Order: sequence, then C-alpha cells, then structure tokens
Amino acid sequence: AQSVAQPEDQVNVAEGNPLTVKCTYSVSGNPYLFWYVQYPNRGLQFLLKYITGDNLVKGSYGFEAEFNKSQTSFHLKKPSALVSDSALYFCAVVSGSARQLTFGSGTQLTVLP
Amino acid sequence: DAGVIQSPRHEVTEMGQEVTLRCKPISGHNSLFWYRQTMMRGLELLIYFNNNVPIDDSGMPEDRFSAKMPNASFSTLKIQPSEPRDSAVYFCASSSSGRDNTGELFFGEGSRLTVL
Repeated sequence: AQSVAQPEDQVNVAEGNPLTVKCTYSVSGNPYLFWYVQYPNRGLQFLLKYITGDNLVKGSYGFEAEFNKSQTSFHLKKPSALVSDSALYFCAVVSGSARQLTFGSGTQLTVLP
Repeated sequence: DAGVIQSPRHEVTEMGQEVTLRCKPISGHNSLFWYRQTMMRGLELLIYFNNNVPIDDSGMPEDRFSAKMPNASFSTLKIQPSEPRDSAVYFCASSSSGRDNTGELFFGEGSRLTVL
C-alpha cells in the first residue's frame, strides 16, 4: 500500500519570505513523487516530480522539492514567496506496480502581502 | 494539445434527476481517471480505465454512480438518481501508461455539480 501525509492543512507566509510545504510518504519499493497545485475553480496542475537521480528537483514557477529517502519526505520549497503562489498544494506518490497516484489531503498556502 | 476537456463546467440539478458528466482525454493517453473533490473528503479517486477497460472502481460510492469509456477519446460519469450529498467538483484526468510512464496525471478543469 502507498500513502501520503501532508501534516499542515494551512500554511501562511509573508511575501518575499521562503516557504515550505511538507509531505511525507509511505511506499514499498522506490517512489515516484509529485507536487500539484490547484488555483481556485481550476483543475490540478503539475508542478514537479522526482523519479530518480538528483534529490533536489526544480519545477515550475520557481518551486523546488527535496527528496529525502531516510526521512521519507518530499517537501516543497520556494526561496521567495509571491502573493500569486497562494493556492492549494497536493503531494502525490506512486510506486511499483501501482497504477494510480495516491494524493495527500492538500495544504492551503496563503502568501500575505 | 487542448488538454483534458470536461463538460459541463457547472451543473445545477434537483434531487432525483440524472446527471451525466463528460470527459475527453488527451489524445494518445490510454489511462483515464475520475476524481471527486469535496471540502470534507478532499480528492477521492472514483474509478480509472486503462485502454478503455475499467480497472478499479472501488472508489465509486454506490450503485447510483456508473462510468463508461466507449472509446479512447470519450468517457462519461453518470449519477442516477442524484442526491444533494453528490454535490462536489468532479475531475477527469488522463495519463499515458506506456513503458516510460512515470504516473503523471493531466487534469481537466472540473465539473462543479450542485444537487438541490
């Protein structure tokens, strides 16, 4: 079985400050890890993914995520937050023979001007 | 490519009526997924198809829900009869399940259903 935990329902950060949205996962085998973003009244949009290789993955809109195998984490980060980054962020994992992504519960990010 | 296309974007209906949601996946994608999103339950996988065949429908809440994929470019999710607790945003997503597939999903914009 595979699962994802996003421990924070809500993250608030001031514009210009660094942001982190946390994600931990549980799988058997090697994970493929994803971050998606959802803006109001829109579908989920792909941000970035980790498949293999470098643990630091860079994605769209200046976001990056670091894969940490020992801590089974894949936290989303951005050095300087923008108000326009305010959205709902989902972490997801798939592993091995599983054919579908398992999504976390989502974290609402609010960047305050 | 136009992306995953869903219709209608908004649907308001009365309890007991039949609702049909439609989805056109990205051309060349052979896996299609239906999700439901609510404030209370978050994002739930209802059913997914591979090569037009339903693979896992364990997320379909009850017999009132049914999904079909008659061909590679079209799928429907039907609720009959609808109930107020079915009110949610329903998303369709597609992916390629070829050898190089890494599981990435492409989502439509969703169909917001309100059952009065």
